[in-house]
Amino acid sequence: GDSVTQMEGPVTLSEEAFLTINCTYTATGYPSLFWYVQYPGEGLQLLLKATKADDKGSNKGFEATYRKETTSFHLEKGSVQVSDSAVYFCALSDRDNFNKFYFGSGTKLNVKP
Amino acid sequence: GAVVSQHPSWVICKSGTSVKIECRSLDFQATTMFWYRQFPKQSLMLMATSNEGSKATYEQGVEKDKFLINHASLTLSTLTVTSAHPEDSSFYICSARGSQGWGRFETQYFGPGTRLLVL
Repeated sequence: GDSVTQMEGPVTLSEEAFLTINCTYTATGYPSLFWYVQYPGEGLQLLLKATKADDKGSNKGFEATYRKETTSFHLEKGSVQVSDSAVYFCALSDRDNFNKFYFGSGTKLNVKP
Repeated sequence: GAVVSQHPSWVICKSGTSVKIECRSLDFQATTMFWYRQFPKQSLMLMATSNEGSKATYEQGVEKDKFLINHASLTLSTLTVTSAHPEDSSFYICSARGSQGWGRFETQYFGPGTRLLVL
């Protein structure tokens, strides 16, 4: 079945460091891929998404490219800020069934000043 | 952006009691609402899908008599954990599928979650 695997955290970086959070997926069809972010005490917020191979999602300096050949959707940011500290979830949805979301276990990011 | 609230944010109850968790879409009408469960350091797992005015659809392995879902209106869904036991302790998250404004794409908006501890 469909599944998502993302790197375990926590990830601790200094401000302005480069960020990569790895995410790989297994899917039988052609899923859409998402990154969600959860700040302390808040709900999950959609950070970016990509709906087909080679698409690049980007938002707030974060970006991820849908790589079908490596079944990956790694999240990157060139220069992190303290305000980026949060938990990041990689997810996929079955294009044939929008109701089905499969989430990774989440990666906590701590950015120190 | 769209807001989904959950109440309560956390609850502690005795084994054998029932607990009701509310999920509300505050500024949009939700065509569909979803309930997820998250164990520590694990993924969110879809428990059930509810559509307003109809019975919820449960995922395989989820007991429908244990986790009662009522989607009474386009802005409110409730999850009741009946006869709760310690193994039901978890983080429960709802999401609402809807759109804001005419012509906007539907997407899913997530609530902040409810932490349940059964003693």
